[in-house]
Amino acid sequence: GAGVSQTPSNKVTEKGKYVELRCDPISGHTALYWYRQSLGQGPEFLIYFQGTGAADDSGLPNDRFFAVRPEGSVSTLKIQRTERGDSAVYLCASSLDRAGANVLTFGAGSRLTVL
Amino acid sequence: DAKTTQPTSMDCAEGRAANLPCNHSTISGNEYVYWYRQIHSQGPQYIIHGLKNNETNEMASLIITEDRKSSTLILPHATLRDTAVYYCIVKGSNYQLIWGAGTKLIIKP
Repeated sequence: GAGVSQTPSNKVTEKGKYVELRCDPISGHTALYWYRQSLGQGPEFLIYFQGTGAADDSGLPNDRFFAVRPEGSVSTLKIQRTERGDSAVYLCASSLDRAGANVLTFGAGSRLTVL
Repeated sequence: DAKTTQPTSMDCAEGRAANLPCNHSTISGNEYVYWYRQIHSQGPQYIIHGLKNNETNEMASLIITEDRKSSTLILPHATLRDTAVYYCIVKGSNYQLIWGAGTKLIIKP
């Protein structure tokens, strides 16, 4: 597609439930990123994929968070045993992998609310 | 921690140039300065980036001081649609962009 697509746009769940958030990057973009944004703050890095592999997952807050990109295109962010503190907008971005430049195209985000 | 400091908010009159400052005094020699903006309820949008030289594209101009410790993003003729939070970012380790809280720019009619 023309842009980065994220689904669902809104997700409300109960504490303790499992959640999956999906990202469809721009076709041909080898790099894919997940960020998390809390109200009034800038995005916070979670994980970066280069192709199918996670090149940097140092931003994942704990082992309840996991992300995959099995075929090097679509990615899924998975959150187990959700907590109220996980409530945020989860942003996905993709880019051409060019050394020295980080020109990211972001999706509109998935707003997660944990009750 | 963010490697940049920006004013929390700014106003600008519609049709005038909006000049957004950013300090990045600890920037390393090979680190780029990036600017993104985020309109309410949307994902961030790339504006421009630069290393040493001033840059211009269809959206904005980026002026980087000679010592590279600060920069200014210039929107030459601001419109109401330019109201957004503007982020100045210096690339962190690996592929991480480390974001601060940004500058909330309000364009007034």
